Amino acid sequence: GAVVSQHPSRVICKSGTSVKIECRSLDFQATTMFWYRQFPKQSLMLMATSNEGSKATYEQGVEKDKFLINHASLTLSTLTVTSAHPEDSSFYICSASIEVKTQYFGPGTRLLVL
Amino acid sequence: KQEVTQIPAALSVPEGENLVLNCSFTDSAIYNLQWFRQDPGKGLTSLLLIQSSQREQTSGRLNASLDKSSGRSTLYIAASQPGDSATYLCAVRRKDSSYKLIFGSGTRLLVRP
Repeated sequence: GAVVSQHPSRVICKSGTSVKIECRSLDFQATTMFWYRQFPKQSLMLMATSNEGSKATYEQGVEKDKFLINHASLTLSTLTVTSAHPEDSSFYICSASIEVKTQYFGPGTRLLVL
Repeated sequence: KQEVTQIPAALSVPEGENLVLNCSFTDSAIYNLQWFRQDPGKGLTSLLLIQSSQREQTSGRLNASLDKSSGRSTLYIAASQPGDSATYLCAVRRKDSSYKLIFGSGTRLLVRP
């Protein structure tokens, strides 16, 4: 149980385009979803926390207009990287919670911006 | 501000060795501490979770300890195998309404056959 999926697993895009990443909780309803970013050989850094039906809460230094998060249902959250640039290339990981004290992580999405 | 540090950053050992990975954190007001494994290009696999009131947790060849007062945790791996090669991440969960996870930068482990 408690499986979280992400789609796509890998994406390559041109600079200036937008990319959408989906995060789904497959066998449970997630009241809260988290989005993390991980640069090579670095730790996971929390970008934002989203609760179903409400606006996401962004961490300090994360541009909310650049990283659009939508949590429209209890099983789906999306992260859209708008006008992507090479420095946005990273590994993006989501996690989902039934209650915030436990997080189940997705397999991650590798984004490469050319 | 909570900071989590893991030492060493990288470790290479021959198969069969027992090894210890270290994690330290600056704020002892934590809800729990969790150890994860991450294979290259993959997501996280939870290994062990220690509640703040606990001293250790064991799962198979893995044993994690927690000394909250000193801000330290160790992950002990017994009889290491090549399949244990991965990055090991330590994360503390904040003891506030957010319960956010704060991650260390990880220890990259290579177990040589």
